[in-house]
This record gives sequence, structure tokens and C-alpha cells, in this order.
Amino acid sequence: AQKVTQAQTEISVVEKEDVTLDCVYETRDTTYYLFWYKQPPSGELVFLIRRNSFDEQNEISGRYSWNFQKSTSSFNFTITASQVVDSAVYFCALSEVDYGGSQGNLIFGKGTKLSVKP
Amino acid sequence: NAGVTQTPKFRVLKTGQSMTLLCAQDMNHEYMYWYRQDPGMGLRLIHYSVGEGTTAKGEVPDGYNVSRLKKQNFLLGLESAAPSQTSVYFCASSYTTIQLDPLGQYFGPGTRLTVT
Repeated sequence: AQKVTQAQTEISVVEKEDVTLDCVYETRDTTYYLFWYKQPPSGELVFLIRRNSFDEQNEISGRYSWNFQKSTSSFNFTITASQVVDSAVYFCALSEVDYGGSQGNLIFGKGTKLSVKP
Repeated sequence: NAGVTQTPKFRVLKTGQSMTLLCAQDMNHEYMYWYRQDPGMGLRLIHYSVGEGTTAKGEVPDGYNVSRLKKQNFLLGLESAAPSQTSVYFCASSYTTIQLDPLGQYFGPGTRLTVT
């Protein structure tokens, strides 16, 4: 069965601290995609990153970085030098892909609420 | 491009009332989805559609119906609203093939529904 677990329900840090949000997934497929979304207090979902199962390279985008490890079925997200504007709920999600290349539904984790205090 | 739009943005219903949520996309996407988001939960799939005239059940379909009469629209109906359906509803759309677009699914802004 497909499942995404975000064990950290809430995290609170002080501005400029580094913070890592954990994501562990379960899937039977060898081809799948992993996503991170940000949901700020305004409520919309903001796409952050997509990673396919064949690409285990870590990715860095400004203060954001992602560590994908298939051996541990994890796709963790680190914010370096956090800022108040990073305060949001962050969701990790999994999408399986069939052999025809069609994407499946997104399976979401329950989210991690990050509060960054000044 | 407006992307994915949802109507209405907010709604308050009384128990037993019915309503329809409209999702529209202008990206010529084949796939469309309806999710609900409850406090402390991620988004859960209600129904989805892989093309005009087709619909399928997701994880939490009970109490909802959907229709996809036109490719660009996906309607979510509540025939007899219940307080348990108080939630934020998100619509999304995507190409059939995930490789076509690195963003995967495009989400609407959400509809906040309260059933009293």
C-alpha cells in the first residue's frame, strides 16, 4: 500500500536556525514521484519540488535543500537559516506512475506545521 | 492563463442542503481531482476523472458525487450536506503523463465549506 508519513506534527524554531522536515514513504512500485508542497496561512498550496524515483541526487534551491534516500525510503526537506516567512504547513506527497507513463493520484502525508519565531 | 479556478471560495450550508462546487481549468488537462483537507490531515482524494465523461472514486467518496461533462470542468456535488463534510476542498488538474510537466498536479485556491 502507498503511504506517506510525516512524523513531526509541529516544529517551532527561532529565526536563522536550520530545520529539517522528515518524510518517509511506502510504495511497491519502482517508478514513482515525490513532492513537497508549502501551505502558508493564506491556504493555497505552493509547489516546491518534484523528484522521480530514478534520481537520487540531492537538490538545493536557495535556502531549501532536499535529501532523497531510496535505501531508507525518505525524502527529507531542510530549510537553512529559517525566516519568519517560512512559517507554514509543509506536505510531502507520493505519486505512482503506470507503465504507460500516466501519473497516479497524489498520496499526501499529514503535514508538518513549521513556526519560525523572530 | 487562469490555471485552476474554484467557485465559490466560501460557503456555509445547513445540514441537509445541497450544493455544487465548480472547478475549471484552462490548461487542456485530461486529469482532474477533488481533494478535501481536514485539520491535522493531509489532502485526501474524494473523486477523480481521467477524461471527459469519466469519473472514479478516490479514498473518501461517500456523500459526494461528481460529473465531468466538459473537459475543462469538474463538478463536485453534495446532495445532503452533513457537518462531517465541513472542510476545505481543493481541485487539481494534470496532464496524463507526468513527464510532460514537472509540477505534476496544479491546484486551485480551495473552497472553504462549513456545514452547520
